[in-house]
Amino acid sequence: EVQLLESGGGLVQPGGSLRLSCAASGFTFSSYTMSWVRQAPGRGLEWVSDISGSGVGTYFADSVKGRFTVSRDNSKNTLFLQMNSLRAGDTAIYYCVKASYGMDVWGRGTPVTVSS
Amino acid sequence: DIQMTQSPSSLSASVGDRVTITCRASQGISNDLGWYQQKPGKAPKRLLYAASSLQSGVPSRFSGSGSGTEFTLTISSLQPEDFATYYCLQHNTYPLTFGGGTKVEIK
Repeated sequence: EVQLLESGGGLVQPGGSLRLSCAASGFTFSSYTMSWVRQAPGRGLEWVSDISGSGVGTYFADSVKGRFTVSRDNSKNTLFLQMNSLRAGDTAIYYCVKASYGMDVWGRGTPVTVSS
Repeated sequence: DIQMTQSPSSLSASVGDRVTITCRASQGISNDLGWYQQKPGKAPKRLLYAASSLQSGVPSRFSGSGSGTEFTLTISSLQPEDFATYYCLQHNTYPLTFGGGTKVEIK
């Protein structure tokens, strides 16, 4: 069974940093593009970033470009999202998603709150 | 960027009703579209991929159609567990974009 477990969320002040992790199991992690998607309170879904299976290709939404980086450790089946220069508008639940013909399996999410 | 216009934004329906939700892409995306269901406090769950292919384990009352710019999600006979919010997603071109969502409520 495919499982994705996010961690690392929490409360951070504006301008601060946070690193999210996603532990994957139940599939050949290195063979799949992985995504990060977020959902602000009471709002819809917003794609944040993709990373190819090898880690060479990375893609970002304009709203996070230059502030967020994505990486993966295929030896540990783990996906990361490094978030810098955080703003109030980054407050959301962040989901880790396995990509296969679009977004296939979703984790339960980890909440990030940016507030002073 | 490709805009995904989803309609309606909300609807009220009764158990047993046929429900149709539409997503329109601002440019052609072939069939690179998925439909997702989200219940309150839960992660989204994929219902359909490649516009019309049913995800394993999803009931056959859910169906999808369309290609290019016009796509439809149909629930043939609404069940109590189907009251939720539905989203479409295009994965043809970066940035990936979701529709605004359709909240299906009980009439």
